[in-house]
Amino acid sequence: QKEVEQNSGPLSVPEGAIASLNCTYSDRGSQSFFWYRQYSGKSPELIMSIYSNGDKEDGRFTAQLNKASQYVSLLIRDSQPSDSATYLCAVKNTNAGKSTFGDGTTLTVKP
Amino acid sequence: DAGVIQSPRHEVTEMGQEVTLRCKPISGHNSLFWYRQTMMRGLELLIYFNNNVPIDDSGMPEDRFSAKMPNASFSTLKIQPSEPRDSAVYFCASSSHYEQYFGPGTRLTVT
Repeated sequence: QKEVEQNSGPLSVPEGAIASLNCTYSDRGSQSFFWYRQYSGKSPELIMSIYSNGDKEDGRFTAQLNKASQYVSLLIRDSQPSDSATYLCAVKNTNAGKSTFGDGTTLTVKP
Repeated sequence: DAGVIQSPRHEVTEMGQEVTLRCKPISGHNSLFWYRQTMMRGLELLIYFNNNVPIDDSGMPEDRFSAKMPNASFSTLKIQPSEPRDSAVYFCASSSHYEQYFGPGTRLTVT
């Protein structure tokens, strides 16, 4: 079992729809959770971080964390073609200096 | 802030040659990470430093790979001798606490 698992996709949604990206992790000591967006040929870009159970909203993006279920998700409302990218989930244990990344979910938003 | 700076952006070399990749982290960040990304293996952590000291190099594939961080503003990743299977995009990232910020990457091609 991988430490951080994501659906590889590809996930395809129509423009204007809600895209839902999911991530599960195995380390119960994990305290910090991140979503990165990576456009093709570019580097990962941090878009959301979440540290407490519940929802965190930033514009069209909402991160949801459930530590009991070891689950973190990213919702993208009103999806735009410019949201088409690979989304990487990363998890960090406070006692570790490094984050563990999932393999990413590729999202395509169709006009 | 200039962000994480990497050089060169592209490197094409022949098998057996030495390759040196360079990274300048964001000023004030005390952790630096070297990653390799390929389609087959995804994003792999090679090594990370905290306060210029190597903390975990378990991801370094073999002795051909070495990394140094002589001061807080500079790090190198060296491959000697290079092999075609080293072809990948190499990212450097830096962090001050929890969130990592990635550089633009170096695309390495070994022929």
